[in-house]
Amino acid sequence: DGGITQSPKYLFRKEGQNVTLSCEQNLNHDAMYWYRQDPGQGLRLIYYSQIVNDFQKGDIAEGYSVSREKKESFPLTVTSAQKNPTAFYLCASSISRVTTGELFFGEGSRLTVL
Amino acid sequence: EDQVTQSPEALRLQEGESSSLNCSYTVSGLRGLFWYRQDPGKGPEFLFTLYSAGEEKEKERLKATLTKKESFLHITAPKPEDSATYLCAVQEQGATNKLIFGTGTLLAVQP
Repeated sequence: DGGITQSPKYLFRKEGQNVTLSCEQNLNHDAMYWYRQDPGQGLRLIYYSQIVNDFQKGDIAEGYSVSREKKESFPLTVTSAQKNPTAFYLCASSISRVTTGELFFGEGSRLTVL
Repeated sequence: EDQVTQSPEALRLQEGESSSLNCSYTVSGLRGLFWYRQDPGKGPEFLFTLYSAGEEKEKERLKATLTKKESFLHITAPKPEDSATYLCAVQEQGATNKLIFGTGTLLAVQP
């Protein structure tokens, strides 16, 4: 089955530690995205990538980093510089390099900072 | 400031009791409006795209409509399995790769 796989589903981090969230897709989609979801707020864009070896900052990129070395993979690193990292993180993809609004989402990774 | 506002925040219906969810938006030019369904602890699932005022899309018990300022998601004779959070997102003209999401409406359908 084609889709987006995020791992881990749950992650606990101590303050000061970097963590990396995995996102893999087998849909052969060009574009991939990372969103953050917090209670009472709409999804907010962290980073997106339209092609391999290229990515752009979204609205809340500070404290995060990404890479896109392969078309199917778009990992997100939450660094110690992110002041409030506890959230639900969603990876998504779209078939086109230009967002049509039809995004395919993974099942999410919930990060909790202890 | 571009905004997307969804109402109500939460809605409880009896099975078979039809209702509508609202998504109002303020953008300088609409490229598209999108509806998603999100189950607890899961990622959103795409439902509909609407591009211009007057457009309607249907899927099973759901029908989405669009005016120049808002969209409605009509739920006809809902079933308990329709319980979820429904998200609305807007894409502005010229703002490629950026969607503005609302905070969602949590729908609970009781048997």
